[in-house]
Amino acid sequence: GESVGLHLPTLSVQEGDNSIINCAYSNSASDYFIWYKQESGKGPQFIIDIRSNMDKRQGQRVTVLLNKTVKHLSLQIAATQPGDSAVYFCADIIGNQFYFGTGTSLTVIP
Amino acid sequence: NAGVTQTPKFRILKIGQSMTLQCTQDMNHNYMYWYRQDPGMGLKLIYYSVGAGITDKGEVPNGYNVSRSTTEDFPLRLELAAPSQTSVYFCATLVSTEAFFGQGTRLTVV
Repeated sequence: GESVGLHLPTLSVQEGDNSIINCAYSNSASDYFIWYKQESGKGPQFIIDIRSNMDKRQGQRVTVLLNKTVKHLSLQIAATQPGDSAVYFCADIIGNQFYFGTGTSLTVIP
Repeated sequence: NAGVTQTPKFRILKIGQSMTLQCTQDMNHNYMYWYRQDPGMGLKLIYYSVGAGITDKGEVPNGYNVSRSTTEDFPLRLELAAPSQTSVYFCATLVSTEAFFGQGTRLTVV
């Protein structure tokens, strides 16, 4: 089966600093990679995605980097704010199947 | 437009009981998914469907069944509840790479 995992289960950053959340994947056949944010008691919310033929994509305050050579994905959040505190999941799509990683809990310190 | 609606929000079952978790979407999306999320863990894919009349197993299908008689509804059935099925269950639809999640059903089996 697919294995999508994260290097660090928890991350604490100072408000205003940049955050980097990492993810490793094992299946080279993944078509898309997606980052989700999950706040307590809620379902995951889409943040940003990247196709497997790209290596970088930018959104509002977020950047996703894809390194297919080492099968690594990262999410960078610029100027982290208290509202960014949540669990972040990477996910990938292979065909019709949609898999999630374990998650990293991000805490922003005011 | 309600998006993805799950019912019930909470349920306590006794071992061996059965129940159906309901999932309805009003976005006319073909792709629907059921996940379970154990505490501190990522989402594990139980079953998915690419359209009415079509269902497929995900990573952890044992102990569950699904049906997809209409585009809108994708119920998840537990026939003989076990303590290992205590979890939060999320239903989702997927369009391209953007997934829309329900608010979740918190199930406890005692």
